Amino acid sequence: DTGVSQDPRHKITKRGQNVTFRCDPISEHNRLYWYRQTLGQGPEFLTYFQNEAQLEKSRLLSDRFSAERPKGSFSTLEIQRTEQGDSAMYLCASSLRGGQGVYTEAFFGQGTRLTVV
Amino acid sequence: GNSVTQMEGPVTLSEEAFLTINCTYTATGYPSLFWYVQYPGEGLQLLLKATKADDKGSNKGFEATYRKETTSFHLEKGSVQVSDSAVYFCALSDRGDYKLSFGAGTTVTVRA
Repeated sequence: DTGVSQDPRHKITKRGQNVTFRCDPISEHNRLYWYRQTLGQGPEFLTYFQNEAQLEKSRLLSDRFSAERPKGSFSTLEIQRTEQGDSAMYLCASSLRGGQGVYTEAFFGQGTRLTVV
Repeated sequence: GNSVTQMEGPVTLSEEAFLTINCTYTATGYPSLFWYVQYPGEGLQLLLKATKADDKGSNKGFEATYRKETTSFHLEKGSVQVSDSAVYFCALSDRGDYKLSFGAGTTVTVRA
């Protein structure tokens, strides 16, 4: 296993277009997180999945954002009608929730850098 | 809500110097505390963590002690190397999982 993979690594899009990012977590990990990181700031939590169920969404995740994890493996994050303020690094992380609510370390992907022009 | 405040950078040091990056937090209950590192061109990596008061996390010569009385988790290393040049993030989780609240990050540059 090569860790958490994100695709694409870079995306430049025009304002108003839709974009979709993909995250492939570590294969046995049942928990998957999405974060957003703007320049000079730390990552901010967006949403997370336990298997295929999306259990929590941040207020940062406006109606233009949607995330899925259809089979409990890879996940996609779609942004509709992109705005310049959506320009950021989008990070994915995965971990394993084991018995009695014990979590293994979360591993982060290298991120997708989105630039909206 | 939860928040993390860490020392602003950038920090520039000479090799073998002592490094301290201050981190304080606000949280309900008893959060777990983390330090993450991001080396140039790489993803975030967990450096160390502590899950309860007075715990000391350590890794790669770095240490941080969970101080509940001062709500702090300062990162220290006694003798830095050029390879320690990176961005360091303090973070917390109030649920034991990896829904994390991060600080803004501190850029550290170590000169030979």
